[in-house]
Amino acid sequence: NAGVMQNPRHLVRRRGQEARLRCSPMKGHSHVYWYRQLPEEGLKFMVYLQKENIIDESGMPKERFSAEFPKEGPSILRIQQVVRGDSAAYFCASSPSGEGETQYFGPGTRLLVL
Amino acid sequence: KQEVTQIPAALSVPEGENLVLNCSFTDSAIYNLQWFRQDPGKGLTSLLLIQSSQREQTSGRLNASLDKSSGRSTLYIAASQPGDSATYLCAVPDYKLSFGAGTTVTVRA
Repeated sequence: NAGVMQNPRHLVRRRGQEARLRCSPMKGHSHVYWYRQLPEEGLKFMVYLQKENIIDESGMPKERFSAEFPKEGPSILRIQQVVRGDSAAYFCASSPSGEGETQYFGPGTRLLVL
Repeated sequence: KQEVTQIPAALSVPEGENLVLNCSFTDSAIYNLQWFRQDPGKGLTSLLLIQSSQREQTSGRLNASLDKSSGRSTLYIAASQPGDSATYLCAVPDYKLSFGAGTTVTVRA
């Protein structure tokens, strides 16, 4: 009964490179959420996806960031042309359905931009 | 827009003392409230989820209360242990979770 899996756990990128973060939800969960935790700050919602659909991306920066949750495979959070300010811990959570359900969190991907 | 506040920001207690962590939220129309624990450099572990119809939820040494009308929840940890040292976060959803900034707890042996 695997939990939410994220990889890589740690990612180092130079400025201008692309970062791809992957999240595999718990078995049977079709709702995925991405959160970002900047250094010394709280967790902030980024995007909410269901299979093949973005439901709410109100927390995601308008440029350079994109997310998908394809019919097959993990959810991907993609950051193009990374900058130092993108250095943070990125957490993925999943739930079996949407509103009011417990969200189960992955261990996070810690992105460091040099 | 839901705003979640946690007080205090940090707490240091000797082992064996009871812990009281406070969480307040601005919009009382919530489905539930969830308490998490986060260890340094780690992910989040769900501790308790209180449905909006409940007044409290208990798990072992942990007890969480919820007062929707006043927009407050309190997490009690009885007989604290050094292993309880962590940051405790409360969060309320519509579907996305709005998190408080957390209370960092240190239990001194």
